[in-house]
Amino acid sequence: DAKTTQPPSMDCAEGRAANLPCNHSTISGNEYVYWYRQIHSQGPQYIIHGLKNNETNEMASLIITEDRKSSTLILPHATLRDTAVYYCIVRVNSGNTPLVFGKGTRLSVIA
Amino acid sequence: GAGVSQSPRYKVAKRGQDVALRCDPISGHVSLFWYQQALGQGPEFLTYFQNEAQLDKSGLPSDRFFAERPEGSVSTLKIQRTQQEDSAVYLCASSTRQGFLDTQYFGPGTRLTVL
Repeated sequence: DAKTTQPPSMDCAEGRAANLPCNHSTISGNEYVYWYRQIHSQGPQYIIHGLKNNETNEMASLIITEDRKSSTLILPHATLRDTAVYYCIVRVNSGNTPLVFGKGTRLSVIA
Repeated sequence: GAGVSQSPRYKVAKRGQDVALRCDPISGHVSLFWYQQALGQGPEFLTYFQNEAQLDKSGLPSDRFFAERPEGSVSTLKIQRTQQEDSAVYLCASSTRQGFLDTQYFGPGTRLTVL
C-alpha cells in the first residue's frame, strides 16, 4: 500500500505557481520523498526527490517539513503541458526497490 | 538519447490467448522493472531484474505471468491464457545503478485489452 496521502485533484491557472501537497506521516529515517508525474498516455516521468533538505531543479522545487511528515511540490510557473497526474512516493535508499504508487493528484492547468 | 521503448504500444487479445510484451531499456541500464497499471490507478510493481537475474517477482499476480531478460538487456513479459482482468497498461522502467539510490526511467507502456 502507498505510504502517502494526496488530494485527488487540483486546478491551477496557467502562469501561476502550482503547489501540490503530500502527507507521509509514517516516513522512516532512511526513506526519500520522490515525485513523478504521468501525462496522459505516457509513462511516469521523474521530477525530483529529497531526503530532508529542500531541493530545486529545472522542473520544480520540493519543500519538506522539518519533521519530514509532509512535503510540497512546487511548479513555479505552471503551463498547460504540466497537466498530469502527480505521484508522491516514499522509498528507501536502494536501487532494487520498486516504486509504490498511490492514486496521485490530478493537476489541471487552466488557460 | 534514446529512452525506454516498448512494443507493441497496443495489443488486443481474445481471452485465452498468449501475449508477449517487449521492453528495450536504456543502453547500459542494469536494473529493469515491470509495472501494471489498471485504468484510473497508479502503476503496481510486477517484477525486477538486475542484469539477467530476476531478483524479485513478488508482484506477479499469477503463474500465468512470466518475465525474462536472458542477455541482460531486452526483456519480455509473457502472459499465458489471458483473462479480462489482465487488461491494463504494462509499463517497463530501467535504471542505471544497482544497490544505490537511482532514478527509474519509464517507457510509454503497452495497453493490453483482453476481449
